[in-house]
Amino acid sequence: GAGVSQSPSNKVTEKGKDVELRCDPISGHTALYWYRQRLGQGLEFLIYFQGNSAPDKSGLPSDRFSAERTGESVSTLTIQRTQQEDSAVYLCASSFRLAGGRTDTQYFGPGTRLTVL
Amino acid sequence: GNSVTQMEGPVTLSEEAFLTINCTYTATGYPSLFWYVQYPGEGLQLLLKATKADDKGSNKGFEATYRKETTSFHLEKGSVQVSDSAVYFCARSGGSNYKLTFGKGTLLTVNP
Repeated sequence: GAGVSQSPSNKVTEKGKDVELRCDPISGHTALYWYRQRLGQGLEFLIYFQGNSAPDKSGLPSDRFSAERTGESVSTLTIQRTQQEDSAVYLCASSFRLAGGRTDTQYFGPGTRLTVL
Repeated sequence: GNSVTQMEGPVTLSEEAFLTINCTYTATGYPSLFWYVQYPGEGLQLLLKATKADDKGSNKGFEATYRKETTSFHLEKGSVQVSDSAVYFCARSGGSNYKLTFGKGTLLTVNP
Protein backbone atom coordinates (compact mmCIF):
# COMPACT_ATOMS: atom_id res chain seq x y z
CA GLY A 1 0.00 0.00 0.00
CA ALA A 2 0.90 3.65 -0.15
CA GLY A 3 1.41 4.04 3.58
CA VAL A 4 1.40 2.28 6.91
CA SER A 5 -2.03 0.97 7.79
CA GLN A 6 -3.37 -0.06 11.16
CA SER A 7 -6.49 -1.81 12.34
CA PRO A 8 -8.80 -1.36 14.02
CA SER A 9 -8.86 2.42 14.09
CA ASN A 10 -10.75 2.36 17.37
CA LYS A 11 -11.10 -0.33 20.00
CA VAL A 12 -13.17 -0.20 23.15
CA THR A 13 -12.71 -3.08 25.55
CA GLU A 14 -13.46 -4.02 29.11
CA LYS A 15 -10.82 -4.23 31.77
CA GLY A 16 -9.29 -7.68 31.88
CA LYS A 17 -9.92 -8.55 28.24
CA ASP A 18 -7.15 -9.23 25.70
CA VAL A 19 -6.78 -7.07 22.60
CA GLU A 20 -4.83 -7.48 19.38
CA LEU A 21 -3.75 -4.56 17.23
CA ARG A 22 -2.51 -4.95 13.67
CA CYS A 23 0.02 -3.04 11.59
CA ASP A 24 0.77 -3.33 7.86
CA PRO A 25 4.05 -1.56 7.08
CA ILE A 26 5.04 0.09 3.82
CA SER A 27 6.11 -2.56 1.35
CA GLY A 28 9.88 -2.97 1.36
CA HIS A 29 10.41 -1.44 4.79
CA THR A 30 12.42 -3.88 6.85
CA ALA A 31 12.16 -1.99 10.13
CA LEU A 32 8.93 -1.77 12.11
CA TYR A 33 8.22 0.07 15.35
CA TRP A 34 5.39 0.33 17.84
CA TYR A 35 4.85 3.44 19.96
CA ARG A 36 2.21 4.47 22.47
CA GLN A 37 0.77 7.95 22.84
CA ARG A 38 -1.09 8.58 26.06
CA LEU A 39 -3.29 11.64 26.43
CA GLY A 40 -1.22 14.80 26.74
CA GLN A 41 2.03 12.92 26.41
CA GLY A 42 4.60 12.40 23.71
CA LEU A 43 5.07 9.08 22.02
CA GLU A 44 6.70 6.28 23.99
CA PHE A 45 8.76 3.66 22.19
CA LEU A 46 7.50 0.12 22.76
CA ILE A 47 9.25 -2.34 20.44
CA TYR A 48 11.38 -2.50 17.29
CA PHE A 49 11.66 -5.24 14.67
CA GLN A 50 14.42 -5.43 12.08
CA GLY A 51 14.35 -8.30 9.62
CA ASN A 52 15.09 -11.61 11.29
CA SER A 53 17.04 -10.07 14.15
CA ALA A 54 15.80 -10.40 17.71
CA PRO A 55 13.38 -7.54 18.39
CA ASP A 56 14.22 -4.75 20.83
CA LYS A 57 11.50 -5.10 23.45
CA SER A 58 13.01 -2.66 25.90
CA GLY A 59 10.05 -0.27 25.77
CA LEU A 60 7.30 -2.75 26.59
CA PRO A 61 5.80 -1.55 29.89
CA SER A 62 4.92 -4.98 31.31
CA ASP A 63 4.78 -8.67 30.46
CA ARG A 64 1.12 -8.20 29.49
CA PHE A 65 2.41 -6.61 26.28
CA SER A 66 3.83 -8.68 23.45
CA ALA A 67 4.32 -8.26 19.74
CA GLU A 68 5.07 -10.45 16.77
CA ARG A 69 6.09 -9.84 13.21
CA THR A 70 5.88 -12.27 10.33
CA GLY A 71 9.00 -11.84 8.22
CA GLU A 72 9.08 -8.29 6.94
CA SER A 73 5.34 -7.80 6.80
CA VAL A 74 2.45 -7.60 9.22
CA SER A 75 2.92 -7.10 12.93
CA THR A 76 0.49 -7.61 15.78
CA LEU A 77 0.67 -6.02 19.22
CA THR A 78 -1.17 -7.98 21.89
CA ILE A 79 -2.16 -6.64 25.28
CA GLN A 80 -3.37 -9.24 27.73
CA ARG A 81 -5.63 -8.54 30.71
CA THR A 82 -6.02 -4.91 29.72
CA GLN A 83 -5.99 -2.22 32.41
CA GLN A 84 -7.40 1.28 32.28
CA GLU A 85 -3.90 2.75 32.14
CA ASP A 86 -3.43 0.95 28.81
CA SER A 87 -5.85 3.42 27.21
CA ALA A 88 -3.87 5.28 24.57
CA VAL A 89 -3.29 5.62 20.85
CA TYR A 90 -0.98 2.87 19.61
CA LEU A 91 1.08 3.93 16.62
CA CYS A 92 3.02 1.79 14.23
CA ALA A 93 5.84 3.06 12.02
CA SER A 94 8.10 1.52 9.42
CA SER A 95 11.31 2.48 7.68
CA PHE A 96 14.10 1.27 5.44
CA ARG A 97 17.28 0.11 7.03
CA LEU A 98 20.41 1.92 5.84
CA ALA A 99 23.98 0.72 5.60
CA GLY A 100 25.85 0.46 8.87
CA GLY A 101 22.75 -0.49 10.81
CA ARG A 102 21.21 2.97 10.77
CA THR A 103 17.56 3.37 9.92
CA ASP A 104 15.89 5.81 7.60
CA THR A 105 12.98 8.13 8.34
CA GLN A 106 10.10 6.49 10.16
CA TYR A 107 6.67 6.73 8.54
CA PHE A 108 3.70 6.42 10.85
CA GLY A 109 0.30 4.83 10.51
CA PRO A 110 -2.91 6.53 11.67
CA GLY A 111 -2.93 4.67 14.96
CA THR A 112 -5.38 2.57 16.92
CA ARG A 113 -7.21 4.38 19.71
CA LEU A 114 -7.65 1.90 22.56
CA THR A 115 -10.11 2.65 25.34
CA VAL A 116 -10.25 0.31 28.33
CA LEU A 117 -13.40 0.73 30.40
CA GLY B 1 18.66 8.80 29.15
CA ASN B 2 17.62 10.62 26.02
CA SER B 3 14.97 13.29 26.31
CA VAL B 4 13.37 16.06 24.30
CA THR B 5 11.80 19.17 25.77
CA GLN B 6 9.58 21.39 23.73
CA MET B 7 7.60 24.46 24.63
CA GLU B 8 4.21 23.74 26.05
CA GLY B 9 1.17 24.94 24.25
CA PRO B 10 -1.29 25.72 23.25
CA VAL B 11 0.01 28.39 20.90
CA THR B 12 -2.56 30.61 19.22
CA LEU B 13 -1.55 32.94 16.41
CA SER B 14 -3.21 35.04 13.78
CA GLU B 15 -2.70 34.22 10.13
CA GLU B 16 0.61 35.55 8.72
CA ALA B 17 2.19 35.77 12.17
CA PHE B 18 5.72 34.48 12.85
CA LEU B 19 5.97 31.10 14.55
CA THR B 20 8.67 29.70 16.81
CA ILE B 21 8.30 26.45 18.73
CA ASN B 22 11.31 25.79 20.92
CA CYS B 23 12.85 22.34 21.23
CA THR B 24 15.93 21.20 23.14
CA TYR B 25 17.39 17.72 23.39
CA THR B 26 19.84 15.81 25.55
CA ALA B 27 23.27 15.83 24.01
CA THR B 28 24.09 12.12 24.19
CA GLY B 29 25.54 10.57 21.08
CA TYR B 30 25.02 11.93 17.59
CA PRO B 31 21.26 12.02 17.14
CA SER B 32 19.25 12.95 14.13
CA LEU B 33 16.54 15.49 14.89
CA PHE B 34 13.02 15.62 13.56
CA TRP B 35 9.83 17.63 13.59
CA TYR B 36 6.65 15.64 13.07
CA VAL B 37 3.19 17.16 12.59
CA GLN B 38 -0.21 15.71 13.38
CA TYR B 39 -3.08 17.44 11.63
CA PRO B 40 -6.58 17.05 13.11
CA GLY B 41 -7.87 13.55 12.52
CA GLU B 42 -4.72 12.42 10.73
CA GLY B 43 -1.65 10.38 11.51
CA LEU B 44 1.81 11.63 12.38
CA GLN B 45 3.73 12.98 9.40
CA LEU B 46 7.37 13.89 9.07
CA LEU B 47 7.68 17.63 8.56
CA LEU B 48 11.46 18.02 8.40
CA LYS B 49 14.68 16.54 9.71
CA ALA B 50 18.38 17.26 10.19
CA THR B 51 21.01 14.60 10.62
CA LYS B 52 24.07 16.52 11.80
CA ALA B 53 25.14 19.74 13.45
CA ASP B 54 24.44 22.96 11.51
CA ASP B 55 22.12 21.16 9.08
CA LYS B 56 18.91 23.03 8.33
CA GLY B 57 15.76 21.06 7.64
CA SER B 58 13.00 22.78 5.70
CA ASN B 59 9.60 21.94 4.28
CA LYS B 60 6.35 23.79 3.55
CA GLY B 61 7.89 27.07 4.70
CA PHE B 62 8.99 25.60 8.04
CA GLU B 63 12.66 25.55 9.03
CA ALA B 64 14.74 24.21 11.89
CA THR B 65 18.51 24.29 12.37
CA TYR B 66 20.44 21.63 14.29
CA ARG B 67 22.36 23.64 16.92
CA LYS B 68 24.84 21.44 18.75
CA GLU B 69 26.19 24.27 20.90
CA THR B 70 22.78 25.01 22.37
CA THR B 71 21.35 21.46 21.89
CA SER B 72 18.35 23.02 20.17
CA PHE B 73 16.21 22.42 17.10
CA HIS B 74 13.67 25.22 17.15
CA LEU B 75 10.90 25.19 14.54
CA GLU B 76 10.18 28.45 12.72
CA LYS B 77 7.86 29.73 10.03
CA GLY B 78 7.73 33.28 8.80
CA SER B 79 4.03 33.47 8.01
CA VAL B 80 1.63 30.85 9.33
CA GLN B 81 -1.63 29.86 7.66
CA VAL B 82 -4.86 28.51 9.09
CA SER B 83 -3.98 25.17 7.49
CA ASP B 84 -0.89 24.95 9.74
CA SER B 85 -3.12 24.35 12.75
CA ALA B 86 -1.92 21.02 14.15
CA VAL B 87 0.11 19.41 16.92
CA TYR B 88 3.88 19.59 16.37
CA PHE B 89 6.28 17.05 17.88
CA CYS B 90 10.03 17.41 18.18
CA ALA B 91 11.97 14.14 18.26
CA ARG B 92 15.51 12.77 18.37
CA SER B 93 16.85 9.42 17.35
CA GLY B 94 18.48 7.23 19.97
CA GLY B 95 21.99 5.92 20.36
CA SER B 96 21.18 3.04 18.05
CA ASN B 97 19.59 5.53 15.73
CA TYR B 98 16.24 3.83 15.57
CA LYS B 99 14.42 4.66 18.78
CA LEU B 100 12.75 8.02 18.51
CA THR B 101 12.29 10.03 21.68
CA PHE B 102 9.51 12.57 21.37
CA GLY B 103 8.62 15.77 23.12
CA LYS B 104 5.09 16.11 24.48
CA GLY B 105 3.83 18.04 21.49
CA THR B 106 2.73 21.63 20.97
CA LEU B 107 -0.78 22.44 19.79
CA LEU B 108 -0.80 25.31 17.31
CA THR B 109 -4.02 27.07 16.39
CA VAL B 110 -3.96 29.69 13.64
CA ASN B 111 -6.94 31.99 13.41
CA PRO B 112 -7.98 33.81 10.21
